[in-house]
Amino acid sequence: NAGVMQNPRHLVRRRGQEARLRCSPMKGHSHVYWYRQLPEEGLKFMVYLQKENIIDESGMPKERFSAEFPKEGPSILRIQQVVRGDSAAYFCASSRDPGRDYEQYFGPGTRLTVT
Amino acid sequence: SQKIEQNSEALNIQEGKTATLTCNYTNYSPAYLQWYRQDPGRGPVFLLLIRENEKEKRKERLKVTFDTTLKQSLFHITASQPADSATYLCALGLPYGNNRLAFGKGNQVVVIP
Repeated sequence: NAGVMQNPRHLVRRRGQEARLRCSPMKGHSHVYWYRQLPEEGLKFMVYLQKENIIDESGMPKERFSAEFPKEGPSILRIQQVVRGDSAAYFCASSRDPGRDYEQYFGPGTRLTVT
Repeated sequence: SQKIEQNSEALNIQEGKTATLTCNYTNYSPAYLQWYRQDPGRGPVFLLLIRENEKEKRKERLKVTFDTTLKQSLFHITASQPADSATYLCALGLPYGNNRLAFGKGNQVVVIP
């Protein structure tokens, strides 16, 4: 039973390029959450998605960031025109029905470095 | 402003002793609270969940308490082992928050053999 999978594990982008981070939830999970962890900071919620729906994007920066979770395939976090301040670890988590089961299972993260 | 505070100093503890970590929060009314373990370069791993109407939860050598009056949770590792060395994260589950979690910065534990 594979856990949450994220790829790539490490991503290097130059300023101005686009970054695409992928997340495949655990089998049987249809709820996905993205968090960002800056150096020496705690995990910060970014966005919560179900299949084909964005449920809560209150933690997403208003510009350059977008997320999707299509009917087929992984969830994607997309950062356009990256800047140095985007360098961080991005974690994806998944869960079953959050109305009944609150545990979130995290992936290994994608470490984004912007040069 | 809203805050979740965990001790920023690492807790160094002798093997076999009980490690106790504190999580204090202000201006939150969580429906539940979770504790996670995070190792360097890895994602958080779920350990325990405690709901607002529960005082204490146990799982093997782990124990969590939750005091909504004090706005505090305590996390205990009994009979600590070197393999317990990690950073432990406190996370608040917000009511009507779509299950999104608000995390503390974490508290590192080092178990000395």
